[in-house]
Amino acid sequence: SAVISQKPSRDICQRGTSLTIQCQVDSQVTMMFWYRQQPGQSLTLIATANQGSEATYESGFVIDKFPISRPNLTFSTLTVSNMSPEDSSIYLCSVAESSGNTIYFGEGSWLTVV
Amino acid sequence: GIQVEQSPPDLILQEGANSTLRCNFSDSVNNLQWFHQNPWGQLINLFYIPSGTKQNGRLSATTVATERYSLLYISSSQTTDSGVYFCAVGESSASKIIFGSGTRLSIRP
Repeated sequence: SAVISQKPSRDICQRGTSLTIQCQVDSQVTMMFWYRQQPGQSLTLIATANQGSEATYESGFVIDKFPISRPNLTFSTLTVSNMSPEDSSIYLCSVAESSGNTIYFGEGSWLTVV
Repeated sequence: GIQVEQSPPDLILQEGANSTLRCNFSDSVNNLQWFHQNPWGQLINLFYIPSGTKQNGRLSATTVATERYSLLYISSSQTTDSGVYFCAVGESSASKIIFGSGTRLSIRP
């Protein structure tokens, strides 16, 4: 399976600021996703990061709040903009293996907004 | 959309015990995966199992697609098995898969 690295692994952020999370994969992958996991909750898909085009966002998530870049097949970023305490979550990058069926996750980025 | 329910929500067991976790889903699926999230937040893919039975060491899983449920079996539990187990389902490929609410498993020494 692909090795997925996320940075930062953990951060404490001030209300109103923005933070960019990086996701690096050790091999080229077609499908790349960003998930959010709020404290004590399950995972919710934010968007699919498309290489060379705009990300596809799920209901309840908008580009202005969560801009995503995918400049190539091994790298993506997620920005959490104008943060509020409600944005305190684990943000997870994931990729689908070549068959498109099984997904694997990075170690997650734990954000706390104060 | 597809609804995913997992049971039980919480399970506390002594080391060495066996357990069965259940995942029910509301519609036909072509993608079903089980994950383990350890106490540090890392998610590990355990099985891709849209139908049939698979085994990996002390863990095994069975999906009965026609009856819309999947079971994860953990035998001879160890403290390292503690964490949250998620079932995730989708209609097709890995895109758009939906996670259940999880089963929190605590194994006591």
